[in-house]
Amino acid sequence: DAGVIQSPRHEVTEMGQEVTLRCKPISGHNSLFWYRQTMMRGLELLIYFNNNVPIDDSGMPEDRFSAKMPNASFSTLKIQPSEPRDSAVYFCASTLGQTNQPQHFGDGTRLSIL
Amino acid sequence: RKEVEQDPGPFNVPEGATVAFNCTYSNSASQSFFWYRQDCRKEPKLLMSVYSSGNEDGRFTAQLNRASQYISLLIRDSKLSDSATYLCVVNPGGGNYQLIWGAGTKLIIKP
Repeated sequence: DAGVIQSPRHEVTEMGQEVTLRCKPISGHNSLFWYRQTMMRGLELLIYFNNNVPIDDSGMPEDRFSAKMPNASFSTLKIQPSEPRDSAVYFCASTLGQTNQPQHFGDGTRLSIL
Repeated sequence: RKEVEQDPGPFNVPEGATVAFNCTYSNSASQSFFWYRQDCRKEPKLLMSVYSSGNEDGRFTAQLNRASQYISLLIRDSKLSDSATYLCVVNPGGGNYQLIWGAGTKLIIKP
């Protein structure tokens, strides 16, 4: 069975550029989560969707970050303009959307902003 | 007080030994509990869910103590491959699908 699929695996770009991260959740999962992980701050929830609707975006750092989920099988996280402090590993996770269900993670996107 | 607290370690343990971690959570209404492991530069992976009655999976045993609001993970006969960071994770309930993540406990198994 296919797990959560993220792309790209690695992204290196210069500050000021637009960055788009992509995620395909596990088929049948109806909740999707975007996380950011750094050594200093650990794993931080940025935003999550339930049935394609954003439920909580309080973790989104600022207006430079936006996320969309146009359908049940695809989500994007966009950073525009990017800054060096955005460098981190970004994970997407999905779940069946029940409180007793664990989340399943993609391999992550390792983002470096120069 | 953090919602989910763990000893960051590292725990340096000889191969073959038994090691245990505890994790405390602040919300007494929390409904679901999990242990994840994360290897360096990899994604978190579900190790096991934690049930009220306690549960075992091979060398791993998880227990939940609702009265004292902590969960534990016991690893018996530790292997070098058990070296990782172990994350304690809690669902706060109330129809919320978010998970609250501990900062993790780093385990190093030495030969």
